[in-house]
Amino acid sequence: DVKVTQSSRYLVKRTGEKVFLECVQDMDHENMFWYRQDPGLGLRLIYFSYDVKMKEKGDIPEGYSVSREKKERFSLILESASTNQTSMYLCASSFTGLAGGKANTGELFFGEGSRLTVL
Amino acid sequence: AQSVTQLDSQVPVFEEAPVELRCNYSSSVSVYLFWYVQYPNQGLQLLLKYLSGSTLVKGINGFEAEFNKSQTSFHLRKPSVHISDTAEYFCAVSPRNTGFQKLVFGTGTRLLVSP
Repeated sequence: DVKVTQSSRYLVKRTGEKVFLECVQDMDHENMFWYRQDPGLGLRLIYFSYDVKMKEKGDIPEGYSVSREKKERFSLILESASTNQTSMYLCASSFTGLAGGKANTGELFFGEGSRLTVL
Repeated sequence: AQSVTQLDSQVPVFEEAPVELRCNYSSSVSVYLFWYVQYPNQGLQLLLKYLSGSTLVKGINGFEAEFNKSQTSFHLRKPSVHISDTAEYFCAVSPRNTGFQKLVFGTGTRLLVSP
């Protein structure tokens, strides 16, 4: 089974602190994503990465940065946390299907989420 | 650009009753369609998807959805719900020319099943 592991389920930080959210997947997926989930707004894409050291902005990248130094790990960084970044953060990964004869079904595999509270 | 509308934010239903969760989308290009489910305190998991072929697709846990191109809809149905179906359900679309990297989610529908 594909496993996407997010390092922290619950975090409480203070305004202005630097926050790291880590995500690791064990299925050699090329694509990795960070979403933010808020009530009534659904999931909004912050950043995604389609390869090591490659990244693209999603719909709401402001206030966030990402790092992908290894294929299996994708980190979300809040340089200076603010109260409006209190949210649930979901990491996901997917297979591109460009090699190995595997079919790309488009399925995203999600971690269990990291609930961040910024005071 | 694509957008997804889930008009019902919450759907209460009694156990063993049928349910339909509505999803409409807007896109200038052809899309793939997905339904994901999120159980309490968990991440999302794929319920079903439409990529091509038959417009009626069956997923896990007895759910099915029908793609209606003319009405740009992809409504989710289950003939008889169980208490364990209580969860939040998200409809999503992906343009066919983006390799599934541009998934756009709706705002979600919370299904509340009571005895």
